[in-house]
Amino acid sequence: QKEVEQNSGPLSVPEGAIASLNCTYSDRGSQSFFWYRQYSGKSPELIMSIYSNGDKEDGRFTAQLNKASQYVSLLIRDSQPSDSATYLCAVKAGFQKLVFGTGTRLLVSP
Amino acid sequence: DAGVIQSPRHEVTEMGQEVTLRCKPISGHDYLFWYRQTMMRGLELLIYFNNNVPIDDSGMPEDRFSAKMPNASFSTLKIQPSEPRDSAVYFCASSFGIQETQYFGPGTRLLVL
Repeated sequence: QKEVEQNSGPLSVPEGAIASLNCTYSDRGSQSFFWYRQYSGKSPELIMSIYSNGDKEDGRFTAQLNKASQYVSLLIRDSQPSDSATYLCAVKAGFQKLVFGTGTRLLVSP
Repeated sequence: DAGVIQSPRHEVTEMGQEVTLRCKPISGHDYLFWYRQTMMRGLELLIYFNNNVPIDDSGMPEDRFSAKMPNASFSTLKIQPSEPRDSAVYFCASSFGIQETQYFGPGTRLLVL
């Protein structure tokens, strides 16, 4: 079992819709959770971090964490074609290294 | 700040050759990370340094890979000898503290023929 799992996609949504990206992790000791966005041919950039159960909102982005279910998600409201990218989920347990999922490719069609 | 700087941006080499990738972290950052990204395996941590000292190299695939950080502003990742399966994008990232945001460089796209 991979430490961090994501559906590779592509996830296709029309412009203006809500995109829902999901991630599960295996280490119950995980404490920090991150979402990175990576455009094709570019480097990953951090868009959200979440540390406690519940929701965290930042603009059009909402991260959701459920530690009991070992599940973290990212919602993108009012999706735009510029949101088309690969979204990487990353998980850290304490001071341990960051472990990345393989990413979900999101396609937002005009 | 210029961000994390990596060179070269692209490297094409032949199997058996030595490859050296270079990284300059963001000034003031005390952690430096080397990652490898492939379609099959995603983004994998190879090694990371704290204050120029290697802390965890468990991700280094084999003895052909080595990394050094002679000072706070420079690190190298060397592959000798290179093999076609080493073809990947290699990213360097840095952060101020292990808990803080990692900032990635633009990556080096390596193709070993």
